[in-house]
Amino acid sequence: GAVVSQHPSWVICKSGTSVKIECRSLDFQATTMFWYRQFPKQSLMLMATSNEGSKATYEQGVEKDKFLINHASLTLSTLTVTSAHPEDSSFYICSARKQGAQQYFGPGTRLTVT
Amino acid sequence: AQSVTQLGSHVSVSEGALVLLRCNYSSSVPPYLFWYVQYPNQGLQLLLKYTSAATLVKGINGFEAEFKKSETSFHLTKPSAHMSDAAEYFCAVSEGDDKIIFGKGTRLHILP
Repeated sequence: GAVVSQHPSWVICKSGTSVKIECRSLDFQATTMFWYRQFPKQSLMLMATSNEGSKATYEQGVEKDKFLINHASLTLSTLTVTSAHPEDSSFYICSARKQGAQQYFGPGTRLTVT
Repeated sequence: AQSVTQLGSHVSVSEGALVLLRCNYSSSVPPYLFWYVQYPNQGLQLLLKYTSAATLVKGINGFEAEFKKSETSFHLTKPSAHMSDAAEYFCAVSEGDDKIIFGKGTRLHILP
């Protein structure tokens, strides 16, 4: 149990376009979902925390207008990178948590902006 | 503010030898501590976690870690390394809220 999926697993997009990444909790209802960013050979940095039905809470330094997060249901959160640029290329990982439980991590999405 | 320091970005051990990955933490309150493993191009898998119960925590795949408050350490060990243990390992700390702070990671190499 406690499986989290991400789609797509990798995506290439052109500079200036937007790309949406989905995070789903497959076998549990996630009251909270998290989005992380991981640069090559570096650690994970928390970008934002989202609770179902409410606005996401962004970490300091993360542009909320650039990284749009929607948590419309208890099993789905989406991260949209708007007007993507090459510096947005990274590995994006989501995690999901049900009340009082640990975070379960998705397999990640590799974004390459050309 | 909470933080995590992992000593050694790369560690190499021979197959069958002891694995020791070092982690020191800083926290203003009794922390929750975690070790995660990440295989290439994959997400994170929880190896073990400390939540103020027993100081010696046993995890999956034969790993264990000992919480030492006096040393602010939470080192990860495994008695005998296996080739499949080659991966990136992250130590992490949380102060009980949702925010998890990760260390920079240690890549474990297993030598045949």
